[in-house]
Amino acid sequence: QVQLVQSGSELKKPGASVKVSCKASGYSFTIYAINWVRQAPGQGLEWMGWIDTNTGNPTYAQGFTGRFVFSLDTSLTTAYLQINSLEAEDTAVYYCARNVPYDFWGQGTLVTVSS
Amino acid sequence: DIVMTQSPDSLAVSLGERATINCKSSQTILYSSNNKNSLAWFQQKPGQAPELLIYWASTRESGVPERFSGSGSGTDFTLTISSLQAEDVAVYYCHQYHSSPHTFGQGTKLEIK
Repeated sequence: QVQLVQSGSELKKPGASVKVSCKASGYSFTIYAINWVRQAPGQGLEWMGWIDTNTGNPTYAQGFTGRFVFSLDTSLTTAYLQINSLEAEDTAVYYCARNVPYDFWGQGTLVTVSS
Repeated sequence: DIVMTQSPDSLAVSLGERATINCKSSQTILYSSNNKNSLAWFQQKPGQAPELLIYWASTRESGVPERFSGSGSGTDFTLTISSLQAEDVAVYYCHQYHSSPHTFGQGTKLEIK
């Protein structure tokens, strides 16, 4: 069965980096893009962008350029979200979701940024 | 960017009654290749990831109960729960995937009256 399994919660200090993984299984990884969605505490869903799993080409939404990096390891059928120079405002749950129409989601990874 | 606006922000409905959530897009989201609207509805329960209920505005995802239905066209869309069950308490989001950036509505919190 199709599954997206994300890495566990992270507690980081401001200025540090974090890398969240999203391991896909149960389907052909390179056929479906991976989207990333952020949910700040008590807030709604915010689309961060997507990565083409066939070419590795990322697309970032406005507000997620510069410090945010999408990448892949197709041999591991895993997508990654790296956030550099973490700020307190990056505290959120980060989700990966398969392609359009986002039919499968990871369980979410809580990233907490606090000194 | 396409702005998705949901109404109401919160809703309380009695068990067994109908619940209706509206979503308005700031632009048309019609996908010309299949003449369908690029709109999805998600359900999110506390502490859980969102789950897909409806896509292409009215296609029910496999395994979703028949009491959930989606309708609408142009810029106005509706999610209807025909007979509210206790397990339907959640936040519901509409979402357009017609053009980048993909955008979500602000969410509608559904509770039991």
